[in-house]
Amino acid sequence: DQQVKQNSPSLSVQEGRISILNCDYTNSMFDYFLWYKKYPAEGPTFLISISSIKDKNEDGRFTVFLNKSAKHLSLHIVPSQPGDSAVYFCAARSNSGAGSYQLTFGKGTKLSVIP
Amino acid sequence: KAGVTQTPRYLIKTRGQQVTLSCSPISGHRSVSWYQQTPGQGLQFLFEYFSETQRNKGNFPGRFSGRQFSNSRSEMNVSTLELGDSALYLCASRRTDRTDTQYFGPGTRLTVL
Repeated sequence: DQQVKQNSPSLSVQEGRISILNCDYTNSMFDYFLWYKKYPAEGPTFLISISSIKDKNEDGRFTVFLNKSAKHLSLHIVPSQPGDSAVYFCAARSNSGAGSYQLTFGKGTKLSVIP
Repeated sequence: KAGVTQTPRYLIKTRGQQVTLSCSPISGHRSVSWYQQTPGQGLQFLFEYFSETQRNKGNFPGRFSGRQFSNSRSEMNVSTLELGDSALYLCASRRTDRTDTQYFGPGTRLTVL
């Protein structure tokens, strides 16, 4: 059973417009969420994160919103640039205590920014 | 500061063989995790090591094992390779066991023939 879901496998956006990538989760034990960006043949690159005690975190062109009641988070990229074209992964950490750390990933959304 | 490094980057093995992958975390990072990425299953957690101790393990068979050395470098071993073990194996590090963000290496692409 997928605990982290990214229901859109792909998304195309015009350069300069907003990109919105969505992620849903089911596990109430998740307390920290991260977005990673991945190019082919490379490892995921950390983009931005948010703790479950917040509802918004912003870093430059990237903003992550968290709606705990809906178990939903989204990543907004404004303005979108061609270099943003990549696969974006949503990840969630469950707080299982004793410093134990495990990320559960969604299947990813491939973003294409069209010049 | 150098990022997470993984060696080798590419590897081809045959069924039944075993393989060892290596990971050097970011300098000063003491926690190392391993993940497997396949087209069908996506990114899945294998295990995490901190201070040479396995802290957490994902749902993988015992053929998958790992260890961490005193300098925080880690190795992952897969014995009796199966075709389904073909995947990108990613290593990630974080500074302490209280740090929230993991940083990933470029991965090792393993192909089992």
